[in-house]
Amino acid sequence: GQQLNQSPQSMFIQEGEDVSMNCTSSSIFNTWLWYKQDPGEGPVLLIALYKAGELTSNGRLTAQFGITRKDSFLNISASIPSDVGIYFCAGPYNNAGNMLTFGGGTRLMVKP
Amino acid sequence: DVKVTQSSRYLVKRTGEKVFLECVQDMDHENMFWYRQDPGLGLRLIYFSYDVKMKEKGDIPEGYSVSREKKERFSLILESASTNQTSMYLCASSLWGHEAFFGQGTRLTVV
Repeated sequence: GQQLNQSPQSMFIQEGEDVSMNCTSSSIFNTWLWYKQDPGEGPVLLIALYKAGELTSNGRLTAQFGITRKDSFLNISASIPSDVGIYFCAGPYNNAGNMLTFGGGTRLMVKP
Repeated sequence: DVKVTQSSRYLVKRTGEKVFLECVQDMDHENMFWYRQDPGLGLRLIYFSYDVKMKEKGDIPEGYSVSREKKERFSLILESASTNQTSMYLCASSLWGHEAFFGQGTRLTVV
C-alpha cells in the first residue's frame, strides 16, 4: 500500500503552546483527512481537505492541503490537556475507490 | 450521528482458537472496513467490503477472513489466532468513501 509519513512521531508540550505536525506522501493525493484518537477510543474525523492549497479550520485546529498535493499540515493553537491523543493523517488508497490509508500517527502529550 | 459498534472492547483468546470480531453500523453505509492498529505502524487495512457478500483484501489480510451477510454487519475472523495477532482492531464504515467513521475498537490479546 501507499506510505504516508507523519512527523513528529510524538510531542510533549506545555499547555498553551501551539503544535504543528505534518504528513507526506511519495505520490499525489486528491484528499487529505485528519483524525484524532483519544486514549482507548476509535479515531474521529477532525478535518477533511479536498483541494490543493485549501486551508480549513475547526476551532483551534487548522489544516492545509499542500500545493504539491504530496503533503498536508495540521496546527493546533493554544493547546489544552484534552488535546492529548494520537493524530492521524489519511488519504484514499491509490486515489481511487473507498479505502483509506493512514499515516503512523503523531502522539501528542500536553503538560498542564 | 453515525454509530459504529464493535461487540467487545477487550478480548483474551488462546493460541489456535477461532476468533470472531463483530461490527455493526446503523447508517446504511455501503462500505465497511477492518483495520489493525499497532504502535508506530498507524492503522493498517485488513479487509474492506463495499457491498453485501463483496470484499477486497487490504494490506495485511493473511491470517484473517471476513463475512458480510447483511449490509449493517461486518465480521472479522481469525481462523487460528496467533500471538502476533495481539492488537487493537478497529472497524469503520463510510457512505461516500473517504470520510470513514470508526467504532471504539477491540483490544485483542492472544495468549
